[in-house]
Amino acid sequence: EAGVTQSPTHLIKTRGQQATLRCSPISGHTSVYWYQQALGLGLQFLLWYDEGEERNRGNFPPRFSGRQFPNYSSELNVNALELEDSALYLCASSSWADEQFFGPGTRLTVL
Amino acid sequence: AQRVTQPEKLLSVFKGAPVELKCNYSYSGSPELFWYVQYSRQRLQLLLRHISRESIKGFTADLNKGETSFHLKKPFAQEEDSAMYYCALGDSGSGAGSYQLTFGKGTKLSVIP
Repeated sequence: EAGVTQSPTHLIKTRGQQATLRCSPISGHTSVYWYQQALGLGLQFLLWYDEGEERNRGNFPPRFSGRQFPNYSSELNVNALELEDSALYLCASSSWADEQFFGPGTRLTVL
Repeated sequence: AQRVTQPEKLLSVFKGAPVELKCNYSYSGSPELFWYVQYSRQRLQLLLRHISRESIKGFTADLNKGETSFHLKKPFAQEEDSAMYYCALGDSGSGAGSYQLTFGKGTKLSVIP
């Protein structure tokens, strides 16, 4: 069975630009979670989608947004990029109240 | 607000020695605690969760609500245990079901041959 996939692997942007990160969950999983792993800050919860709806968001500004599509894949958008947005962005998926399976991550670099 | 603290950034032990990775949490509700592991060049994966009360790869963890701790233990460390270990707290948010996770900053375990 294929695991959680994320694209792209690496993304380089400049300040002020927009970044779009994509995640495909494991087949049958309806929940998708996004986490940010920034240097020195550890893994921080960003967003949680389930059945196409945003269920909760972490302590991040509104320029971090996303959506979940009918096939349960998800997109994370970061607008007006700032240098401190440079981080590894991890996506995880789960079925209801079950273990979260993580993807390999997208490394975003903001120059 | 919930918080997970892993006091050690790095823990080095000799092969065959006991291992204890510390984790303390603060949470007002009934916590769901997890240990995740990331081996070199691999993705983050679940090691164990407190509700299953299983021993995985020789590791165990007991939830101590009085001390708000969920320490990870193994009696005899192996070289293949060298990895990054993260303690995480599950918060079901607005209702029962899936959890968003609050992670500690992780402990790098290095097992010396």
